[in-house]
Amino acid sequence: KAGVTQTPRYLIKTRGQQVTLSCSPISGHRSVSWYQQTPGQGLQFLFEYFSETQRNKGNFPGRFSGRQFSNSRSEMNVSTLELGDSALYLCASTGQGGTEAFFGQGTRLTVV
Amino acid sequence: QKEVEQNSGPLSVPEGAIASLNCTYSDRGSQSFFWYRQYSGKSPELIMSIYSNGDKEDGRFTAQLNKASQYVSLLIRDSQPSDSATYLCAVRSGSARQLTFGSGTQLTVLP
Repeated sequence: KAGVTQTPRYLIKTRGQQVTLSCSPISGHRSVSWYQQTPGQGLQFLFEYFSETQRNKGNFPGRFSGRQFSNSRSEMNVSTLELGDSALYLCASTGQGGTEAFFGQGTRLTVV
Repeated sequence: QKEVEQNSGPLSVPEGAIASLNCTYSDRGSQSFFWYRQYSGKSPELIMSIYSNGDKEDGRFTAQLNKASQYVSLLIRDSQPSDSATYLCAVRSGSARQLTFGSGTQLTVLP
């Protein structure tokens, strides 16, 4: 069974640009959550999607947004990038009725 | 404010010893507890989940939960150098879908 797949693995962007990250969950999983990991703040929850609906959102500015498609694949978008957005962005999928979350390899975003 | 606290370490143990990692949480409504292992430059990997008071064993790993004390721990028996990583404690409350993570404990197992 394939795991969670995130693309791209690495990104370098310039301040002010926008970026879109993609996540394909484990087959059959309908819940996708996004997290940001930085050395200073650790792992912080961004948002969670289930059946194309955002169910929960963390304390991040509106520049961070996401969506989920009918095949459960999810994208997150960050607009007007800031240097502080440099981080490892992680996607996790959870099976229906389950509580365990499985992470993808992450996308390392560097804003210069 | 929901918080998950871990000893930041670093924690060093000799090969073959027992490593003990601790975590406390503030939300009494928390129902699900997880330990993730994260190697440097990699993503977190789920190694243990525990939902009820007591011990849960899986190979060399034992998770312990005490909801009255709001405490969860992870014991690694017969520690190996390959266990050297950062261990993240994560908690999910009944009312929230997201995981709240501790800052992690960096473990080094010395050969």
